[in-house]
Order: sequence, then C-alpha cells, then structure tokens
Amino acid sequence: GQQLNQSPQSMFIQEGEDVSMNCTSSSIFNTWLWYKQDPGEGPVLLIALYKAGELTSNGRLTAQFGITRKDSFLNISASIPSDVGIYFCAGQLSGHSGYALNFGKGTSLLVTP
Amino acid sequence: DAGVIQSPRHEVTEMGQEVTLRCKPISGHDYLFWYRQTMMRGLELLIYFNNNVPIDDSGMPEDRFSAKMPNASFSTLKIQPSEPRDSAVYFCASSFGTSGRNEQFFGPGTRLTVL
Repeated sequence: GQQLNQSPQSMFIQEGEDVSMNCTSSSIFNTWLWYKQDPGEGPVLLIALYKAGELTSNGRLTAQFGITRKDSFLNISASIPSDVGIYFCAGQLSGHSGYALNFGKGTSLLVTP
Repeated sequence: DAGVIQSPRHEVTEMGQEVTLRCKPISGHDYLFWYRQTMMRGLELLIYFNNNVPIDDSGMPEDRFSAKMPNASFSTLKIQPSEPRDSAVYFCASSFGTSGRNEQFFGPGTRLTVL
C-alpha cells in the first residue's frame, strides 16, 4: 500500500513542552487518523479527521487535516510522562473503494519528568 | 463495552508447526482487519473482511497464511507451516464501515515467536 512519511522518527522532550509531528503523502487522502501505541498493546485511536482543513481537538491533543489533503499534523500541548509511546498516522486513499488504511512508520515520543 | 479480543496474547512455537490466531471483533462492526507489525516493516495490512467475506488479501505474504471469518463474531489467521521470519505481533482490528467512517479499533495483539 501507499507508504506515509511520518516525522520526526523520534522525539525526546521534557515534561511540559509542546510536541508537533506530521505525516505527508504523495497521494490525496480522504481520511486521516492518529493512533497511539503503548508498549505491549495495540494502537489506540486518538483523533479522526474526514474533511480537508478540519481541525479537531481531544484534550491536549490537536490534529489537522491538511488543505492539500496530502498531509496532517498532530500537536500535543504541555506534555506529561504518560504521553510516552509511539504515535502513528494512518490514512485512506481518496477514491479507494475499500476501507484499508495506510500507516506511517510512527513517531516515538519520550518525555522526561 | 468489550473491545476487540485476541487470543492467545503470546505464542511461542517451533518452525514447521501450525499456528492459529483468534479474534473477536467489536459487536456490530462489519469490517475486520488483520495486521502484522515488525520493527523493519511497521504495520502491514494482511487481509480484511466485510460482512464475513474476504475483500482484499493482497497483503497475505504467501500461501502458508490463511484467514477465515465463519461468522460476524469470530475470525482466525492461520500459518502453516510457520517459519522464524513469521515472528511478529499480529493485530486484529474492526470498524463500522457502513457508517461511512473508517475508525478502526485494534485488539491487544498476539506476539508470535517462531523458533
């Protein structure tokens, strides 16, 4: 499937700092999803985006569906230690008749107290 | 509400043995997905079903892999014979695709080790 470019690959920050990560694709997507995965667990859905330009928040998390439909970003404000984990973006190609998602390789986030 | 349930959580087997992974999707969901996660390749879609019918199995690596969904509440992924390179975490996910939204919910995964 279509591979998404997710960056940065890893981040090491201090508690209280804001975090920003993004995903880009060479193809147009009609859905962007952001997941978080803790060690030994499955990915957990954080935010879903369905319209170009859409900006959605979930607590300290904010994500946007890029206006070109080829990118999305996720921001975490005032990070805390439990934000540690791997964050994945996932998208569905525009015009795709099925419901398969394409996943990025993930951003590993480490937060120090 | 119960989420996606997978069993076993861990499986250690020897090369050549048959392995069966099990999944119970969220009740009412009409799509079921099987993924494999490795450090090298990340999350890869193996196969997905809609209303118990396989829709796309292009991600299944080889004939040693097979998946079934005999009813709306149960699916299996079988590897026969297993090989060391099959070692990975296998996830099952489900979604309510008919809603028009593609929010997939993942199970906890099965960590497979083939010796």
